[in-house]
Amino acid sequence: AQTVTQSQPEMSVQEAETVTLSCTYDTSESDYYLFWYKQPPSRQMILVIRQEAYKQQNATENRFSVNFQKAAKSFSLKISDSQLGDAAMYFCAYRSGDFGNEKLTFGTGTRLTIIP
Amino acid sequence: DTGVSQDPRHKITKRGQNVTFRCDPISEHNRLYWYRQTLGQGPEFLTYFQNEAQLEKSRLLSDRFSAERPKGSFSTLEIQRTEQGDSAMYLCASSFGSGYTFGSGTRLTVV
Repeated sequence: AQTVTQSQPEMSVQEAETVTLSCTYDTSESDYYLFWYKQPPSRQMILVIRQEAYKQQNATENRFSVNFQKAAKSFSLKISDSQLGDAAMYFCAYRSGDFGNEKLTFGTGTRLTIIP
Repeated sequence: DTGVSQDPRHKITKRGQNVTFRCDPISEHNRLYWYRQTLGQGPEFLTYFQNEAQLEKSRLLSDRFSAERPKGSFSTLEIQRTEQGDSAMYLCASSFGSGYTFGSGTRLTVV
């Protein structure tokens, strides 16, 4: 079974600075997807960024980028120019590439606080 | 398209009562998922449907839990004889391809 580990229960960053959230995963599969989700206090899970394992290029979405290290099974999220609206729980998630095995496996989350 | 909607937002019930939650997915999404999230934890997979077929159930889904998706549209999750350990947020998500959209969840409190 796949597992996802987020070793930082809480992180804080000064507004406008850069912060990196860590995620490691364990799998024997070669084809899979990785995601970062944001869950604000309003609680709806929002997709931040996704990465296909077969792509070597790291995904980027505006201020959000990932450092995907497939051999090390590491998938960290970098948030640049942090804004107050970035404060939330962040979850790393894994999905198998196998058709019919499409559930997400989540880590335990990192609570990000933005310091004004 | 109004996204994934879940009803109710909050439910307080007495131990031993039955509860039912509803999820309305995005209309063109053929896959629908239920997750459970307890305080301070990530969501845990419960079950998922492709159209009306329930394809996978987690071992977390005890016999007291049942889910349906008649006609491949909305889905219901029923918990019979609720226990205090069932208190959690129940999240629904739908997908088409590899993109998921989550609802806002139903928070269940068993007293």
